[in-house]
Amino acid sequence: AQSVTQLDSQVPVFEEAPVELRCNYSSSVSVYLFWYVQYPNQGLQLLLKYLSGSTLVKGINGFEAEFNKSQTSFHLRKPSVHISDTAEYFCALGGTSYGKLTFGQGTILTVHP
Amino acid sequence: NAGVTQTPKFQVLKTGQSMTLQCAQDMNHNSMYWYRQDPGMGLRLIYYSASEGTTDKGEVPNGYNVSRLNKREFSLRLESAAPSQTSVYFCASSEWEAYEQYFGPGTRLTVT
Repeated sequence: AQSVTQLDSQVPVFEEAPVELRCNYSSSVSVYLFWYVQYPNQGLQLLLKYLSGSTLVKGINGFEAEFNKSQTSFHLRKPSVHISDTAEYFCALGGTSYGKLTFGQGTILTVHP
Repeated sequence: NAGVTQTPKFQVLKTGQSMTLQCAQDMNHNSMYWYRQDPGMGLRLIYYSASEGTTDKGEVPNGYNVSRLNKREFSLRLESAAPSQTSVYFCASSEWEAYEQYFGPGTRLTVT
């Protein structure tokens, strides 16, 4: 069985500060990992993905994530956040049949001025 | 391209009423999915369709039915709505195995 745990339900941070959103996973099959962002009252938008290759992946809006197989983690980072980054972020795990994803519970990032 | 579209955007039902949520994608994807989103629980898969003509249960299928009408369209039906089905419903589509999913804007459903 697959599972995803996002370790923080809410992360408050000041504008221009760095941020890390933590994600751990459990899987017995090949691992494909995703981070999605959801702005208020909108659908989910893909930030970045890890399918294979380099363990450091870069996404849109200056975000990056590092796949760590030994720690079973896929943490999302940004060196300097903006007010516009305020949103809910979801880590998701794939690798089973037909592209099904298992989502974490979500982390609400709030950027304060 | 419109991507993934969903109708309606909002709906209020009384307990026991039925309704169908519509979803369509124009990206020629094989697979389509229905999720529900509840606070603090992430997205949970209700049903999915790996390809036209096939559907399978996900994590929380009770109280729902689906139809893959053709490659573009995948509908979700609530036969007898219950307050526990108050949620935001998302449709998504993807290409085969391990590719990212593309999401619609969601339907906010309230059952009173």
